Amino acid sequence: EAGVAQSPRYKIIEKRQSVAFWCNPISGHATLYWYQQILGQGPKLLIQFQNNGVVDDSQLPKDRFSAERLKGVDSTLKIQPAKLEDSAVYLCASAGLVAGFYEQYFGPGTRLTVT
Amino acid sequence: AQSVTQLGSHVSVSEGALVLLRCNYSSSVPPYLFWYVQYPNQGLQLLLKYTTGATLVKGINGFEAEFKKSETSFHLTKPSAHMSDAAEYFCARKGGSYIPTFGRGTSLIVHP
Repeated sequence: EAGVAQSPRYKIIEKRQSVAFWCNPISGHATLYWYQQILGQGPKLLIQFQNNGVVDDSQLPKDRFSAERLKGVDSTLKIQPAKLEDSAVYLCASAGLVAGFYEQYFGPGTRLTVT
Repeated sequence: AQSVTQLGSHVSVSEGALVLLRCNYSSSVPPYLFWYVQYPNQGLQLLLKYTTGATLVKGINGFEAEFKKSETSFHLTKPSAHMSDAAEYFCARKGGSYIPTFGRGTSLIVHP
């Protein structure tokens, strides 16, 4: 079974520029998450999708971050414009039933550096 | 806010020694608890989880954790550390809303 795919793996941009990340979840997983992991901290949930609907985006900075999951499969996360404090690893995860329990599977992440 | 606290940002052990990574949770009801491992430049991988039932949970790679409600703890242990265990470890909890909350992480350093 293929895992969660993310691209690009690394991205360096200047502040005020825009950037987009892509995530392809595990086939059949209805739930998809985007996390922000700042160096030295645990992942922080940005947004959770169930199919193509948003379940929770309370921690998404909506003035600059946006995310969509068209057709309930792939998802993109966009930052526009980027700030220095957005430097982090952005993790995508999808969840599926394993022995009656929803288990998360994480992608390798996209490391963003804003200069 | 309900959360998890990992004690110690870095833990250093010798190869073959006991590994103990500490995690305490704050919750009015027992939550679901998890330990994840993150190797450099990789995503998080589930080591083990506690949902209900047996309080001693065995995971992959020889790790186990014990849920202690009286101490609100879920410490991760392994009897004998290997060099390949060097990684970042995250404790996490999931409450009724299923929105996960992660600790700040503990970096495990294994010396030869």
